Amino acid sequence: EVQLVESGGGLVQPGGSLRLSCAASGFTFSSYAMSWVRQAPGKGLEWVSSINYSGGTTYHADSVKGRFTISRDNSKNTLYLQMNSLRAEDTAIYYCSYSYGSGAFDIWGQGTMVTVSS
Amino acid sequence: SYELTQPPSVSVSPGQTARITCSGDALSKQYTYWYQQKPGQAPMVVIYKDIERPSGIPERFSGSSSGTSATLTINGVQAEDEADYYCQSADSGATWVFGGGTKLTVL
Repeated sequence: EVQLVESGGGLVQPGGSLRLSCAASGFTFSSYAMSWVRQAPGKGLEWVSSINYSGGTTYHADSVKGRFTISRDNSKNTLYLQMNSLRAEDTAIYYCSYSYGSGAFDIWGQGTMVTVSS
Repeated sequence: SYELTQPPSVSVSPGQTARITCSGDALSKQYTYWYQQKPGQAPMVVIYKDIERPSGIPERFSGSSSGTSATLTINGVQAEDEADYYCQSADSGATWVFGGGTKLTVL
């Protein structure tokens, strides 16, 4: 069974850092690009970051560029999101996702909540 | 980056047809994807590449695209279709943008 399980969320003060993880199973992780998408409470979806299959190419939304870094460890089947200089507006559920062929984000994890507050 | 514009809400009676629109300049050059999200759940793709329906998605869901607009149509709406719907498209390269979402209410 294909599965994505996010972890690492929690409460952090403004200006702080957090690293999210997404453990993948049930598919050949190293063959697929992966992405992070977030959703602030009561708000819509926002694409955050994407990384290609090898980790050699990354993309970030303007809202997080220079503060967040997406990476992956194909030997551990794990995707990461390093979040620095966190702001209140980064408060959201963070989902990892990937496309297995449709071009859409076919598979989603259950999400991990990040709360930035003093 | 650019924006995708959706109506905040659409309401229909059971059995009627719901149409949710998405507009944005890049839609004339990029595919549109549609997601359904129910409360407390992760999004689920219901239409990909403008018109394609994933396996397991009911036939009452269909998509279309013309120029800078795309439409998700749900024929014979059922109570279980009440949810938030988001369109998505590529911005440039491997960057993405989502519409603001449309809340579908089944009266």
